Amino acid sequence: DVKVTQSSRYLVKRTGEKVFLECVQDMDHENMFWYRQDPGLGLRLIYFSYDVKMKEKGDIPEGYSVSREKKERFSLILESASTNQTSMYLCASSLPSPGWGPDTEAFFGQGTRLTVV
Amino acid sequence: DAKTTQPTSMDCAEGRAANLPCNHSTISGNEYVYWYRQIHSQGPQYIIHGLKNNETNEMASLIITEDRKSSTLILPHATLRDTAVYYCIVRALISSGSARQLTFGSGTQLTVLP
Repeated sequence: DVKVTQSSRYLVKRTGEKVFLECVQDMDHENMFWYRQDPGLGLRLIYFSYDVKMKEKGDIPEGYSVSREKKERFSLILESASTNQTSMYLCASSLPSPGWGPDTEAFFGQGTRLTVV
Repeated sequence: DAKTTQPTSMDCAEGRAANLPCNHSTISGNEYVYWYRQIHSQGPQYIIHGLKNNETNEMASLIITEDRKSSTLILPHATLRDTAVYYCIVRALISSGSARQLTFGSGTQLTVLP
């Protein structure tokens, strides 16, 4: 069974702390994504990576950074956590499109609900 | 990607078919219809996708109208575990090796009643 695993389901951190959210996938997928999900705002892309050591900014990268040293692991880093980063964080992975055609399905982790106090 | 419109919520009796509609009247010829769902406090889960022909897999069936302006996701025998928010998404073809983000709208909250 394919799996995307996020290191924590629930996390509480203090304002100003450096926070690491880890995501591991066991499907040998090239693409990995970090989203945040907030009520009324839907899913918003923070960063994605299409290969080891490669990263691209999404719609809301400010206040975040990422690291992809190995293909299976994609880390999201909150450099200095703030209360407006309280959210549900979702990691996803997918294969690259095989050709000019439909996008491949994305597999999501269970999510990390982060509260910054 | 074309905009989609879905009802905010629907109920379905357990064991009956759940039919979830989606309107995508501005869909263009190279755009696919995808369905994902999100059970409470979990990550989204892919269900099915299609271009113009009806599609079926182990989870659901997707019926796309001939003009492609709307579609219906059918869960043939809904169970309590199918209670979730269902998202209909329209996505264009992408080139080889590309990665694109998913954009979910508000979706339909399906509640399966015992």
